[in-house]
Amino acid sequence: QKEVEQNSGPLSVPEGAIASLNCTYSDRGSQSFFWYRQYSGKSPELIMSIYSNGDKEDGRFTAQLNKASQYVSLLIRDSQPSDSATYLCAVNIEGGGTSYGKLTFGQGTILTVHP
Amino acid sequence: DAGITQSPRYKITETGRQVTLMCHQTWSHSYMFWYRQDLGHGLRLIYYSAAADITDKGEVPDGYVVSRSKTENFPLTLESATRSQTSVYFCASSRSLRGELFFGEGSRLTVL
Repeated sequence: QKEVEQNSGPLSVPEGAIASLNCTYSDRGSQSFFWYRQYSGKSPELIMSIYSNGDKEDGRFTAQLNKASQYVSLLIRDSQPSDSATYLCAVNIEGGGTSYGKLTFGQGTILTVHP
Repeated sequence: DAGITQSPRYKITETGRQVTLMCHQTWSHSYMFWYRQDLGHGLRLIYYSAAADITDKGEVPDGYVVSRSKTENFPLTLESATRSQTSVYFCASSRSLRGELFFGEGSRLTVL
């Protein structure tokens, strides 16, 4: 069983729509959760972090965390063609102590926003 | 320029050769990481470091060696390259234990 799972997609949405990306994780001890965006041929870029249950909003992006159900999601409102990328969910499986902040990544969801 | 830089960006080598990928960061972040990214496997942690002279294995360390004599540098060495090590390698750094990583541009390695 993979530790962090995402639907690989591709997820296709029209411009202006809401894109919803989902991620589940296996370790209930996970403490830190991240969404990275990766354009084709580029390196991952951190776009959202969330540490407690509930919603966290940053511009058009909203991260949602539900530790009881072990899922984290990313909503992108008013999607733009420039949002077309692979979105990577990352979880800090071993939080604190001597874990050194190691992240475990999902395989990513490819998002395409079409005009 | 400030940030995290990797070199070389592209490298072609032959099976059995030694290859070193360089990583340099100017933020004085304590934590540094090497990941490889392959289709079907996503990003996998090779090695990480909490500080100078402190390194430890990640998920896929076999065939790789790291060192960290200075905080800003974290080279990754493939002692005897194999075709299975053909991949894109990303170096990353972080200032905290929480795991907010900042990635370098990546090094694309092809082993023939």
